[in-house]
Amino acid sequence: GQSLEQPSEVTAVEGAIVQINCTYQTSGFYGLSWYQQHDGGAPTFLSYNGLDGLEETGRFSSFLSRSDSYGYLLLQELQMKDSASYFCAVVNQAGTALIFGKGTTLSVSS
Amino acid sequence: NAGVTQTPKFRVLKTGQSMTLLCAQDMNHEYMYWYRQDPGMGLRLIHYSVGEGTTAKGEVPDGYNVSRLKKQNFLLGLESAAPSQTSVYFCASSSDADRGQGYTFGSGTRLTVV
Repeated sequence: GQSLEQPSEVTAVEGAIVQINCTYQTSGFYGLSWYQQHDGGAPTFLSYNGLDGLEETGRFSSFLSRSDSYGYLLLQELQMKDSASYFCAVVNQAGTALIFGKGTTLSVSS
Repeated sequence: NAGVTQTPKFRVLKTGQSMTLLCAQDMNHEYMYWYRQDPGMGLRLIHYSVGEGTTAKGEVPDGYNVSRLKKQNFLLGLESAAPSQTSVYFCASSSDADRGQGYTFGSGTRLTVV
């Protein structure tokens, strides 16, 4: 089966940089995805890494190391609106559906 | 551009009652999914469909049934609701199943079973 581990909570201040780590165990790896969910809202897609290295999208970057079964989401120039839950996810063994980690709650304070 | 629409948004059921949650997508996506979200548990896959007329079990399928009679609709049924099924249910759809990119989620159904 698949399993993902990520910290349950992270706190930071506005303007800072925060890194949310994710380690995974899976057979048949298809890539690592990240989703954001504001309280009470729907999850939204942030980024995807299919190959090793860094993917950058504005203030957000995501990194993958397949040899270490590890990835992270890097959020720069934090803003209050970044307070949300962040989920890493991998595709299931059959290649047909995403399996999510338990999520990391990020709290940004002023 | 509606995306993924879930109905109802809220529901309170008594133990033993049945209900159906409806998910509709207008993006012509092939793949559709039902997840449940409980505090501290993340999103857990209940059932999914890889195309019209197909369904498959996910991580936590017990107590639920699904049907995908039309490509745009994916129904989740609870035949005999239990308090353990109190949760927020999210439907999602995607055009690409094997990369995990671009899942579009509905706004969720908040279900309470008393």
